[in-house]
Amino acid sequence: AQTVTQSQPEMSVQEAETVTLSCTYDTSENNYYLFWYKQPPSRQMILVIRQEAYKQQNATENRFSVNFQKAAKSFSLKISDSQLGDTAMYFCAFMKPLKGGYALNFGKGTSLLVTP
Amino acid sequence: DAGVTQSPTHLIKTRGQQVTLRCSPKSGHDTVSWYQQALGQGPQFIFQYYEEEERQRGNFPDRFSGHQFPNYSSELNVNALLLGDSALYLCASSYGAGGYGYTFGSGTRLTVV
Repeated sequence: AQTVTQSQPEMSVQEAETVTLSCTYDTSENNYYLFWYKQPPSRQMILVIRQEAYKQQNATENRFSVNFQKAAKSFSLKISDSQLGDTAMYFCAFMKPLKGGYALNFGKGTSLLVTP
Repeated sequence: DAGVTQSPTHLIKTRGQQVTLRCSPKSGHDTVSWYQQALGQGPQFIFQYYEEEERQRGNFPDRFSGHQFPNYSSELNVNALLLGDSALYLCASSYGAGGYGYTFGSGTRLTVV
């Protein structure tokens, strides 16, 4: 089974600063997808960014970018110019494509607090 | 364009009872997955439905069952509720495999007393 580890239960950053959330995963697969999801108090999981394992280029979505190190099985999320609305739980997730379907394996999450 | 809709938003049940949760996927999506999120934890995969069949299942007992209807909506049923079934139940939809990521609903908060 694939496992996803987020070693930082809680983090805090000041508005406009940059913060990096860590994620490592364990798999023997070569082709897979990685995701970061955000879960604000409204409970809805919101897709932040997606990375395909066969692509060496790191994904970027506006203020959000990842550092994908396939050999090290590391997938960190960098949030630049942090905003108060970024306060939320952040989950790293691994998805392996299979013939029978797909499922996301989530880490335990990192609670991010952005302060004024 | 409506996203994923789940009902009810909150539910309180007694141990031993049965519960049905409902999900309408995002327009254009044909695959529905269900996740259980215990307090302070990441979501755990329960099962996935495609073309009205269970395509993949996580490590959950047979007390958890589901159904997908021709309009792609889905139900999650839990029998013989245990206190440990108290959690947020999330529905997620996608078109096909979901490699581009799922769209999640806001969940149903189930409390078993």
